[in-house]
Amino acid sequence: QQKVQQSPESLIVPEGGMASLNCTSSDRNVDYFWWYRQHSGKSPKMLMSIFSNGEKEEGRFTVHLNKASLHTSLHIRDSQPSDSALYLCAASDTNTGKLTFGDGTVLTVKP
Amino acid sequence: DPKIIQKPKYLVAVTGSEKILICEQYLGHNAMYWYRQSAKKPLEFMFSYSYQKLMDNQTASSRFQPQSSKKNHLDLQITALKPDDSATYFCASSPGQSNERLFFGHGTKLSVL
Repeated sequence: QQKVQQSPESLIVPEGGMASLNCTSSDRNVDYFWWYRQHSGKSPKMLMSIFSNGEKEEGRFTVHLNKASLHTSLHIRDSQPSDSALYLCAASDTNTGKLTFGDGTVLTVKP
Repeated sequence: DPKIIQKPKYLVAVTGSEKILICEQYLGHNAMYWYRQSAKKPLEFMFSYSYQKLMDNQTASSRFQPQSSKKNHLDLQITALKPDDSATYFCASSPGQSNERLFFGHGTKLSVL
């Protein structure tokens, strides 16, 4: 049973467009959410993290969190071809700190 | 200048053989992890260590054995290799064990023939 669900599986947006990625945890013990980005052939690198209800913005990237529904979303504005990558959402367990990853969303930004 | 060194980068093995994947981190972190990534299971947690002690093991098979000789080392021994073990194995580390950002090594891509 997958505890971290991501949608969509893949997404194509035009250069300069907005990309919106979703993630929900089915484990009520989670308290931190993370977004990692993995370019093809590379290792995952953390983009953003969030643990409070609301919104957090860093440059072109905005993360939302609704703790009641354990739903987080990542929004990328003014998308660039270099944003094309696998985006992984992860949730960490309150008790163990263990990070569980979702299956990811493959984002393609078309020039 | 990579701070988490994994060796080798690529590895080809025959079915039934044994291999050791090496991981050393120079970030001064206290927690280290192994994750596996394949087409079938995107990024799968295997083990976590904190201060050289096993904290969590989500790998059903005893063919996978982590080995920590030093605080900044966490190797992974895999015995009786099977084609299904083919994957990229990522070592990661974090300052502590709870709710900490993970830093990943570049991975070891294992192909079992």
